[in-house]
Amino acid sequence: EVQLLESGGGMVQPGGSLRLSCAASGFIFNTYAMNWVRQAPGKGLEWVSGISGSGYNTYYSDSVKGRCTISRDNSKNTLHLQMISLRAEDTAVYYCAKVSEIRGQGTLVTVSS
Amino acid sequence: QSALTQPRSVSGSPGQSVTISCTGTSSDIGGYNYVSWYQQHPGRAPKLMISDVTKRPSGVPDRFSGSKSGNTASLTISGLQAEDEADYCCCSYAGGSLVFGGGTKVTVL
Repeated sequence: EVQLLESGGGMVQPGGSLRLSCAASGFIFNTYAMNWVRQAPGKGLEWVSGISGSGYNTYYSDSVKGRCTISRDNSKNTLHLQMISLRAEDTAVYYCAKVSEIRGQGTLVTVSS
Repeated sequence: QSALTQPRSVSGSPGQSVTISCTGTSSDIGGYNYVSWYQQHPGRAPKLMISDVTKRPSGVPDRFSGSKSGNTASLTISGLQAEDEADYCCCSYAGGSLVFGGGTKVTVL
């Protein structure tokens, strides 16, 4: 069965950085696009970034473009999101998704001074 | 404004069926068979109910079903139960990105 386990969240000051990770299992990882999705407190789900199966193509929402870098290690079935210059509005639970499937509990990122 | 359009609310009595629509475009729902549906209770993580338009993950009751016609996807709950009262959100792959609906509140009368 598909399993996705997010990690790496935490509390960070404005301007700080974090690296999120997602360990994937139960499917042929390198054949699927992967995405990061977030949900701010009291808000709906918001797409953050995506990457093709090969890792060659990457995509970003306007809200994080220039501040986030998505990557994947197909040898370790792992997805990453490097976030820099974090802002209060980046506070959210971050989920990874196998294409459009969110399967995990997410990892909480809190940006606060 | 969300990229995918869902009704704000639907309701039904226990045992009845309700259907939630999710309308997009040929660039998302109409172009790919990667439509997912999520159930969410306040303060909880979204729970995947349907993936790939029609697939039910292990553990999801078979009263939940998904379908798609053109640019519109639908989630049907047959035999509505009290525990089905929640928010439901659709999601579609859009060729590099994901788009979401604004969510539908299902009320069990």
